[in-house]
Amino acid sequence: NAGVTQTPKFQVLKTGQSMTLQCAQDMNHNSMYWYRQDPGMGLRLIYYSASEGTTDKGEVPNGYNVSRLNKREFSLRLESAAPSQTSVYFCASSETRWGRMGNQPQHFGDGTRLSIL
Amino acid sequence: AQKVTQAQTEISVVEKEDVTLDCVYETRDTTYYLFWYKQPPSGELVFLIRRNSFDEQNEISGRYSWNFQKSTSSFNFTITASQVVDSAVYFCALGETNFGNEKLTFGTGTRLTIIP
Repeated sequence: NAGVTQTPKFQVLKTGQSMTLQCAQDMNHNSMYWYRQDPGMGLRLIYYSASEGTTDKGEVPNGYNVSRLNKREFSLRLESAAPSQTSVYFCASSETRWGRMGNQPQHFGDGTRLSIL
Repeated sequence: AQKVTQAQTEISVVEKEDVTLDCVYETRDTTYYLFWYKQPPSGELVFLIRRNSFDEQNEISGRYSWNFQKSTSSFNFTITASQVVDSAVYFCALGETNFGNEKLTFGTGTRLTIIP
């Protein structure tokens, strides 16, 4: 069972280039998330999707767009990359209800390390 | 707004010592969830524990234990007899529910180094 798969794992871009980070989950989860992790900042939510067809802004959405292509896939797009977007990006997914004991709240992918020169 | 504070940026201890990682949270929700994640040098996020706001019972899992105190809004994590493999960044997170959507707010993390 793959869980949450992110592609690519590493990428280097030049300022102004565009790129789409891909995320897919095979756990039939309804909710999906994109975070960025910067040194000393912890993980910050960029966008999330509570269900197929819906997306909402998180804490740091500027400079990003997302698409919930279907229930499995949630992509993150940088239209015009900037050096400030150099970060490690994590995708996550979760079931919609936390009422069940033992549920891991969000399953994370292994991350995409993105450098923008 | 929800907030999680991990005041300890970095901690170093000698192997076999006990170490406690602090986590203080703020929320207006009456029902909420608290979590700890471990991020080893390889970079992935490993889920350690979840605690519901209505369950203040402390938990022990092997060398790990967690102390949840609503009165002080704290959810501290203790590693007993630390080992080199415990070296990692540890994140505390606070979860809210919003009509079927679950959002996590992370602390800034504590980098733990176990010295052999």
